[in-house]
Amino acid sequence: EAQVTQNPRYLITVTGKKLTVTCSQNMNHEYMSWYRQDPGLGLRQIYYSMNVEVTDKGDVPEGYKVSRKEKRNFPLILESPSPNQTSLYFCASRPVTQRSIAQYFGPGTRLTVL
Amino acid sequence: AQKITQTQPGMFVQEKEAVTLDCTYDTSDPSYGLFWYKQPSSGEMIFLIYQGSYDQQNATEGRYSLNFQKARKSANLVISASQLGDSAMYFCAMREGPGGKLTFGQGTILTVHP
Repeated sequence: EAQVTQNPRYLITVTGKKLTVTCSQNMNHEYMSWYRQDPGLGLRQIYYSMNVEVTDKGDVPEGYKVSRKEKRNFPLILESPSPNQTSLYFCASRPVTQRSIAQYFGPGTRLTVL
Repeated sequence: AQKITQTQPGMFVQEKEAVTLDCTYDTSDPSYGLFWYKQPSSGEMIFLIYQGSYDQQNATEGRYSLNFQKARKSANLVISASQLGDSAMYFCAMREGPGGKLTFGQGTILTVHP
């Protein structure tokens, strides 16, 4: 089954404790992206990657890091989480050349930073 | 300036009636795509419908249709014969630029009454 998986699905942590949210897709997609969803703001892009070893900032990259060492994986790293990073996070992927294809979204990770 | 605007924070509709969710967009890119996603209370993002900027006809997918008015820069979602299961958050999104960045609106919460 074609899918994007994220882990963990729920996470409660404390300020300053480094964490990683994993994202993996099994569709051989070149393009992967991370979003955060906050009430009244919709989804905002954090980082995206057009292919392996190619990453770029989205609209709200501060406080986040990403890496793309393999095509299927695109982890989101919070080196020192703060309460304003409490949010619902989505990973997504799509083929880079087919612009009419909708992004496949992961199930979401609900993060709470105390 | 907002790239994607959804002016209706919440909408109510009676079961079996049609409902229109508004979306306006702003871009100078001649090639762009418009998407609608549904997010039920369970949180996942479900792709509904796509309209390309060069498409001559309005997109339709089952009970969903997209009322695309290019000159007005609007891309309203029409849901015909509403069902209780249509109650959800709906997001309009636009893809533009060489990287195909996806920008989301703030969302509209639709409630279908029996």
